[in-house]
This record gives sequence, structure tokens and C-alpha cells, in this order.
Amino acid sequence: GAVVSQHPSRVICKSGTSVKIECRSLDFQATTMFWYRQFPKQSLMLMATSNEGSKATYEQGVEKDKFLINHASLTLSTLTVTSAHPEDSSFYICSARGTSTNEKLFFGSGTQLSVL
Amino acid sequence: GENVEQHPSTLSVQEGDSAVIKCTYSDSASNYFPWYKQELGKRPQLIIDIRSNVGEKKDQRIAVTLNKTAKHFSLHITETQPEDSAVYFCAASPGGYQKVTFGTGTKLQVIP
Repeated sequence: GAVVSQHPSRVICKSGTSVKIECRSLDFQATTMFWYRQFPKQSLMLMATSNEGSKATYEQGVEKDKFLINHASLTLSTLTVTSAHPEDSSFYICSARGTSTNEKLFFGSGTQLSVL
Repeated sequence: GENVEQHPSTLSVQEGDSAVIKCTYSDSASNYFPWYKQELGKRPQLIIDIRSNVGEKKDQRIAVTLNKTAKHFSLHITETQPEDSAVYFCAASPGGYQKVTFGTGTKLQVIP
């Protein structure tokens, strides 16, 4: 299957700082990337959908000015959590698909964000 | 938008028995239905998927069935093994570049 790399795997930051998470498709061109948030023992909550070269589409209730998503190339999308607060602490995970993956979604390994 | 419901939320079976997880979806435009397995602390892994032009698909001990009329689809795992223990998510999508909506997950425990 296709490989999606996500970094960092874990980050601890102080309240008020910004954190950037990278999601890369290593062996295919990701025309669409999705960003999710997952709370312990819960499902994957879609935050936003990004198509390469276009502005991200955010789900209802997700603040686009707080969760900045950039998908500037066919292999890289970034999620920046701006002015992070303790309530932003969560597991963030990306997924990607492209024309070569035949609609199949492949996930990154996730980032555990802890805001102190 | 799409709404995917998944049942049960937890499921315990004896090793060797079968496990069935059921999902329903609301959007008749959905035509792609993948299933993911997520082990603790790891990324979700695609285990099988089905498209709306077929009613059943099988891959070794795993099978998925789809009833488009009723908007139901199910995952069947036969001859369960302890390594099948994980959280399983169903999902639905209209395909193309559109989003994939996930169910709430089923925690499967296979008791040796």
C-alpha cells in the first residue's frame, strides 16, 4: 500500500505557542488530504479536507484561523495549531489519497499534541 | 451530510468464533465503503473495501457485505484470532475527491 509519513509523532508545547504538523505522501501524489482529530477511545473526527493548490474546506465547528492547513504540493500538507491551549491537546492524524490509490485512504501515524 | 452509524461499540468473542460488525449510512450518493483496523497507538489500516456495484467481497477470513437498498454494510471476520483484537471503523464516501465519513468504531476483543 501507499505510505504516508506524519511528523512529529509527539509534541509538548506551552499554552499560547503554535505547533506545525507535517503530512507527506512518500510514494504517490496526494491530490486530497484529510486532517482528523481523535480523542481517546473515540472515532476519527474530520477537521478539514484539503485539495492540492486549493483552500482547505473546514468542517462545521472547526476554527479555520486556529487550525491552519496548507496543501501547497502534491506530497505535503501541514496543519498548524495556532495559539494552542490545553483543550487543543489531542491526537491529530492525517490521511491522503490520489488518483493512483483508487480512492483508498492511507493514514499517517498521528501526532499526539500535549499543551501545557 | 453523510451519517454513519456503527454497532456494536464493543464486541468480545472466543478465539475461533466469528465476529460481525454492522454499519448504516444515510447518503444514497455514497458508493465506496472501506473498513479500517486500528490497533492501540497505531494508525488505521485499510483491511477491505467495497464499492456499490457489488454486494459482497471476501479476502481470506474477512468479508464485507453491502445492501444498498437498506443502506447497510457489514464486516464479517471468521475464525477470529487474538491478533484480530483492535478497534474497527467502517466508513462511507461518495467517492472522487469527496470526504470519507467514519463510524464510531467497534472495539473487538478476541479471547484466547
